[in-house]
Amino acid sequence: SQQGEEDPQALSIQEGENATMNCSYKTSINNLQWYRQNSGRGLVHLILIRSNEREKHSGRLRVTLDTSKKSSSLLITASQAADTASYFCATNMDSNYQLIWGAGTKLIIKP
Amino acid sequence: GAGVSQSPSNKVTEKGKDVELRCDPISGHTALYWYRQSLGQGLEFLIYFQGNSAPDKSGLPSDRFSAERTGGSVSTLTIQRTQQEDSAVYLCASSWVGNTDTQYFGPGTRLTVL
Repeated sequence: SQQGEEDPQALSIQEGENATMNCSYKTSINNLQWYRQNSGRGLVHLILIRSNEREKHSGRLRVTLDTSKKSSSLLITASQAADTASYFCATNMDSNYQLIWGAGTKLIIKP
Repeated sequence: GAGVSQSPSNKVTEKGKDVELRCDPISGHTALYWYRQSLGQGLEFLIYFQGNSAPDKSGLPSDRFSAERTGGSVSTLTIQRTQQEDSAVYLCASSWVGNTDTQYFGPGTRLTVL
């Protein structure tokens, strides 16, 4: 069964707006990672946040992690057309090398 | 530097045929993973190689699926007697070590079983 569940399943916003995607998971984790996938093919790693971290930034990306709520959010600020993609969260559970994946959020940026 | 490469990029086969999918990981990466992604779904773990350790095959859906990694580098995923439900994108990833490290993905092989 899937560990991570993204919310919403799909999101359509205007270029320039901010996009927020959420991920919830079920068990304790070592870290949580966000990936982007264009056109249903290769995934690109965006950011990794460890269980003892609460927030990380990378360019226009901001990730938060709330281990008490078992949830994470990915914020993309000042969205661009090139941000159109599916975004997945993946969790790495304690002492386990597998990444457990959610079904993803499909983000569409309208010009 | 070169990323993870996979071949072929697309494969169309008839039901019952065997297929081989290839993955070339990033040089120096000791960990290699195979995943399967069905249309509109997340990734399903298939198998994991770490150095010279015995691979974790716990994700392989049936005994028709097998994988090997030669010389700690290139990996081949073999599907025997393909079925229509095997149709998916097969993704390979590698990382420096297993566990907590970031995984780098190849572009995938889209398999279509007619």
